[in-house]
Amino acid sequence: SQQGEEDPQALSIQEGENATMNCSYKTSINNLQWYRQNSGRGLVHLILIRSNEREKHSGRLRVTLDTSKKSSSLLITASRAADTASYFCATPPYSGAGSYQLTFGKGTKLSVIP
Amino acid sequence: NAGVTQTPKFQVLKTGQSMTLQCAQDMNHEYMSWYRQDPGMGLRLIHYSVGAGITDQGEVPNGYNVSRSTTEDFPLRLLSAAPSQTSVYFCASSYGQTFQETQYFGPGTRLLVL
Repeated sequence: SQQGEEDPQALSIQEGENATMNCSYKTSINNLQWYRQNSGRGLVHLILIRSNEREKHSGRLRVTLDTSKKSSSLLITASRAADTASYFCATPPYSGAGSYQLTFGKGTKLSVIP
Repeated sequence: NAGVTQTPKFQVLKTGQSMTLQCAQDMNHEYMSWYRQDPGMGLRLIHYSVGAGITDQGEVPNGYNVSRSTTEDFPLRLLSAAPSQTSVYFCASSYGQTFQETQYFGPGTRLLVL
């Protein structure tokens, strides 16, 4: 069953613009993780934000978490062609039954046009 | 560190054949898992392990078998390949024994079953 769902499914922007993608989830979480996948490659971890954090930065990436709305957003500023990839959110459920099941959304496919 | 490695990178099988996908990690991670990725479906968990000698089923375990005799290795066996198992397979590992921490992914094995 899908826990995290990304939105939009696809996003196309010009180089230098900002890209925002969103993730919604259904149940309580300890943390939410964002991953990037370049075409034909494995997933690479970007940011992990814990449930008691509201915002986290890493270079040109900014992640926000709103636990009241059960949603998160990933902002990539000043995008580059190299940011072209699929982006996934992943939500490990709150500890207890099923806490071994990390659920990924279907991803947002970002295209950055040079 | 090599991180998470997977072999082979690409494999073609005939229906009914069996094979083993290899996964190894050199980070002394307790937790390891196998996912399959299909177009439009995101990543789905097949099997996981929280330590040597301990394995359990994920969301889509049918047709697959795993074992964990060492901390480093977590092979995935296809017992009798079917066209529905055509997919890209990813192995992942993480610290601790739950999904709560960052996952480190291998580069993937692309499998085609004819």
